[in-house]
Amino acid sequence: EVHLVDSGGGLVQPGGSLRLSCAASGFTFTDYWMSWVRQAPGKGLEWVANINKEGSEKYYADSVKGRFTISRDNAKNSLYLQMNSLRAEDTAVYYCASSPIFDYWGQGTLVTVSS
Amino acid sequence: DIVMTQTPDSLAVSLGERATINCKSSQNVLYSFNNKNYLAWYQQKPGQPPKLLIYWASTRESGVPDRFSGSGSGTDFTLTVRSLQAEDVAVYYCQQYYSSPLTFGGGTKVEIK
Repeated sequence: EVHLVDSGGGLVQPGGSLRLSCAASGFTFTDYWMSWVRQAPGKGLEWVANINKEGSEKYYADSVKGRFTISRDNAKNSLYLQMNSLRAEDTAVYYCASSPIFDYWGQGTLVTVSS
Repeated sequence: DIVMTQTPDSLAVSLGERATINCKSSQNVLYSFNNKNYLAWYQQKPGQPPKLLIYWASTRESGVPDRFSGSGSGTDFTLTVRSLQAEDVAVYYCQQYYSSPLTFGGGTKVEIK
């Protein structure tokens, strides 16, 4: 059975940093591009970033470009999102998901940016 | 960026009746090389991550009931729930994967009348 377990969310002050993790199991992680998708409270879905199978290609939404960094460790079947210079508008549930068709999803981890 | 516009924002349908959700892309998402529409549909219930229902505009994901169907091509797409069940109450999203950035529609909330 496929499992994506998101972790690392929490409360952080504006300007702060946070690193999200996603542990994958039950499928061949190296066969998939992976993405982070976020959902602000009561709002719709927003793609944040994705990374190719090898980790050599990375793409970002304009809203996070230069502040967030996506990475993966294929030996650990894990996906990461380093978030720096966080803003109030980054407050959301962050999901990892297989990409570009989002067939597998994590349960999400809540990031709250507030003073 | 390809903008995805869903209509309506919400709809209320009686149990057993048909629900129809529309999705329009600002650019063509049909790739002529393989004649595939790079369009997916998702269902999201409260407190849960989205669930993939349909991809390539009309291919049902494994395990999805056949009352869910997708149609359309180019820039205009439709998700139809043939006979609405109580468990279908959710928000539905379309998404294009033709080009980066990957973009979603704003969502359509489906309720029981």
